[in-house]
Amino acid sequence: SQKIEQNSEALNIQEGKTATLTCNYTNYSPAYLQWYRQDPGRGPVFLLLIRENEKEKRKERLKVTFDTTLKQSLFHITASQPADSATYLCALDHHASGGSYIPTFGRGTSLIVHP
Amino acid sequence: EPEVTQTPSHQVTQMGQEVILRCVPISNHLYFYWYRQILGQKVEFLVSFYNNEISEKSEIFDDQFSVERPDGSNFTLKIRSTKLEDSAMYFCASSEFTGGISYEQYFGPGTRLTVT
Repeated sequence: SQKIEQNSEALNIQEGKTATLTCNYTNYSPAYLQWYRQDPGRGPVFLLLIRENEKEKRKERLKVTFDTTLKQSLFHITASQPADSATYLCALDHHASGGSYIPTFGRGTSLIVHP
Repeated sequence: EPEVTQTPSHQVTQMGQEVILRCVPISNHLYFYWYRQILGQKVEFLVSFYNNEISEKSEIFDDQFSVERPDGSNFTLKIRSTKLEDSAMYFCASSEFTGGISYEQYFGPGTRLTVT
């Protein structure tokens, strides 16, 4: 069966350190992978999109890697700040029967950055 | 900065009643989506909409659900006869669409639907 797995346990780190979140998937052939941030009671906020033929993408303090052989994406936040505390969702965009893409979300990993 | 808006923020309804959730996508976006998130669960895709018709829908999007773009700005989700298990946060999203390439989606703040 198809699965997207993100660590269910919260990741606790100290301010200034690099946070690394993992997204593993099975039985998908995603064309794209996206990372979102979600704060409690709010809608997801888009952070980064990486295509299947890309290995790495960066945006300011954020970096995403995508390994289609390992079926894994890593999401890094460098120089983390307490304001980065949130739940981070990975979403796989896979080709659907209608010809376009459907995103399937993981359950997310909660990040807590301590001052 | 342009944003997706949704109304109402919270809707309480009785089982069996019809509800309409409303969304105003970002004005130059062409692709629209509805998702739901049951409390404590993951975000689930319901439907995508492009060029005035449904592009894709999930197994959750059964005959009790329908979507409509009644004018040039609004995008609605109707649930015909609500059930207790429809209680969830419903998110609308929109994205640019260019030649089949997936673009980032911009989500609204959500409507919390409570069915009693």
